[in-house]
Amino acid sequence: GAVVSQHPSRVICKSGTSVKIECRSLDFQATTMFWYRQFPKQSLMLMATSNEGSKATYEQGVEKDKFLINHASLTLSTLTVTSAHPEDSSFYICSARDRVSTDTQYFGPGTRLTVL
Amino acid sequence: EDQVTQSPEALRLQEGESSSLNCSYTVSGLRGLFWYRQDPGKGPEFLFTLYSAGEEKEKERLKATLTKKESFLHITAPKPEDSATYLCAVRIYNYGQNFVFGPGTRLSVLP
Repeated sequence: GAVVSQHPSRVICKSGTSVKIECRSLDFQATTMFWYRQFPKQSLMLMATSNEGSKATYEQGVEKDKFLINHASLTLSTLTVTSAHPEDSSFYICSARDRVSTDTQYFGPGTRLTVL
Repeated sequence: EDQVTQSPEALRLQEGESSSLNCSYTVSGLRGLFWYRQDPGKGPEFLFTLYSAGEEKEKERLKATLTKKESFLHITAPKPEDSATYLCAVRIYNYGQNFVFGPGTRLSVLP
């Protein structure tokens, strides 16, 4: 149980294009989903918190117009990196908080984004 | 300032050589401490949640313990497949639903 999927697992795009990453909770309902960014050999950096049906809350320094987050249902959240640039290349990981077990976050497998 | 540190930064063990990883925290109101395992290029895999001092959780070769200032992840007779980065995270009362992550400990178990 408590499985979170992400799609795609890897994406390569040209500078200036937009990329959408999907995060799904497969066997539970997630009222809250989180988006993280991780650089090589570093820990996770929280980008934003999204609650189903409401606007995401972004961490300080994260551009909300560049990283668009939508949490339209209890099982799906999307992160769109708009007008991507090489410095946006990173490993993006989502997590979901089980609606029943309200503390534990379950993580997706991550998406490796490379912007050329 | 709420802070989570982990030590050592990296640890190399021989197969079967037991050891412990440390997660120390200075936070204003602990709501839960979480251990995760992360393999290279993958998302963190949930291991344990601890809520109060004195609590212990076990899973196969791993045992997590919690005091008022720190948590230990004990690894008994590790195997090469235990090699990974181990992350701890805390949830704090005045930080909403978010976690504060430690930097992680990279564990290598040599055959």
